Amino acid sequence: DAKTTQPPSMDCAEGRAANLPCNHSTISGNEYVYWYRQIHSQGPQYIIHGLKNNETNEMASLIITEDRKSSTLILPHATLRDTAVYYCIVRYNTGGFKTIFGAGTRLFVKA
Amino acid sequence: DSGVTQTPKHLITATGQRVTLRCSPRSGDLSVYWYQQSLDQGLQFLIQYYNGEERAKGNILERFSAQQFPDLHSELNLSSLELGDSALYFCASSTQGSTDTQYFGPGTRLTVL
Repeated sequence: DAKTTQPPSMDCAEGRAANLPCNHSTISGNEYVYWYRQIHSQGPQYIIHGLKNNETNEMASLIITEDRKSSTLILPHATLRDTAVYYCIVRYNTGGFKTIFGAGTRLFVKA
Repeated sequence: DSGVTQTPKHLITATGQRVTLRCSPRSGDLSVYWYQQSLDQGLQFLIQYYNGEERAKGNILERFSAQQFPDLHSELNLSSLELGDSALYFCASSTQGSTDTQYFGPGTRLTVL
């Protein structure tokens, strides 16, 4: 599985958009980009995933660059409850492959 | 609520002992994954089962073993426990169909004294 690089921490003001970057320069053509978050010591929560097109759901938007070497998770209106560690993962969508979580980005949403 | 259940929520035991952690996947999910999260290691993938068979293996110690039963629940067995095994253990499940989004359970916090 490809490795990802994320900034260790970021701040965001409540109500503003949070833009979390992820580099995955060694991603292969069939690997998807997944985003999860973990609040305190709870189980990681799925946010969104995509292959090459931008994706949006009720939680967030995912922007993937044309060369697929990087992506950005956008939380459009961050709230205090969005304070968490955000993990960017790349992996194949099916089959038996290891899922490798990096250190993630610790997002602090401030009032 | 992800639909994945894990028991027990907390477990305190002594070094050298053996424990079993249990996971029930979401209804319809065939794959189960186990992860370990300790303070200094982050989330470490241990092992994946699909419909009863081992599918992928990560950094799982030989003292640890897992299995998935015909009703698709899974158990993670940890033996000869050491202080360093103290961690959160998460189970996740996925359909392994057209998408492989993993949904995580609430975890079991293991404390080895």
